[in-house]
Amino acid sequence: GAVVSQHPSRVICKSGTSVKIECRSLDFQATTMFWYRQFPKKSLMLMATSNEGSKATYEQGVEKDKFLINHASLTLSTLTVTSAHPEDSSFYICSARHRDPSYEQYFGPGTRLTVT
Amino acid sequence: RKEVEQDPGPFNVPEGATVAFNCTYSNSASQSFFWYRQDCRKEPKLLMSVYSSGNEDGRFTAQLNRASQYISLLIRDSKLSDSATYLCVVGSFQKLVFGTGTRLLVSP
Repeated sequence: GAVVSQHPSRVICKSGTSVKIECRSLDFQATTMFWYRQFPKKSLMLMATSNEGSKATYEQGVEKDKFLINHASLTLSTLTVTSAHPEDSSFYICSARHRDPSYEQYFGPGTRLTVT
Repeated sequence: RKEVEQDPGPFNVPEGATVAFNCTYSNSASQSFFWYRQDCRKEPKLLMSVYSSGNEDGRFTAQLNRASQYISLLIRDSKLSDSATYLCVVGSFQKLVFGTGTRLLVSP
């Protein structure tokens, strides 16, 4: 199957700092990438849908000024958590979808963010 | 009401047992249905798509009942390696909505 990478896999940062997470589709072009967040023992929650070259679409309740998403190319999307707080500590997972409209998404390995 | 509901479990079964998971979804306009598997602290991985006609992949059988908005997964001859969380996932308007997952523990 298609490969999606995320970097970093784990990050610890201090409250008030910003953290950038990268999501790359390694062997295909992804016109759409998705960012999810998963708290312990909870389901994956979609945060935003990112289309290459356009602004991301955020889900209700997700602050776009806090979670900055950039999808500058067909193989890279970034999520920046600005002014992180301990409650932002979570597992952030991206996924990427092929050009063709479909539901099949390929997930990255996730980034575990801990804000102290 | 949650869009996708699952029994969180855990289901504790011995090796070789047959186990079934159920899932209900609330959006009748949903178009695609999947079962994903997620191991602890890992990303979800697609296990199988689910069709109204039912589909089988080795020891795994998935079924969809659109009228009842109900999805099932049957695992036969459970293996230790089947221990994981099984996520019911529903696709609507090009987005995936995940259930909280059902945890399965297979013991020797």
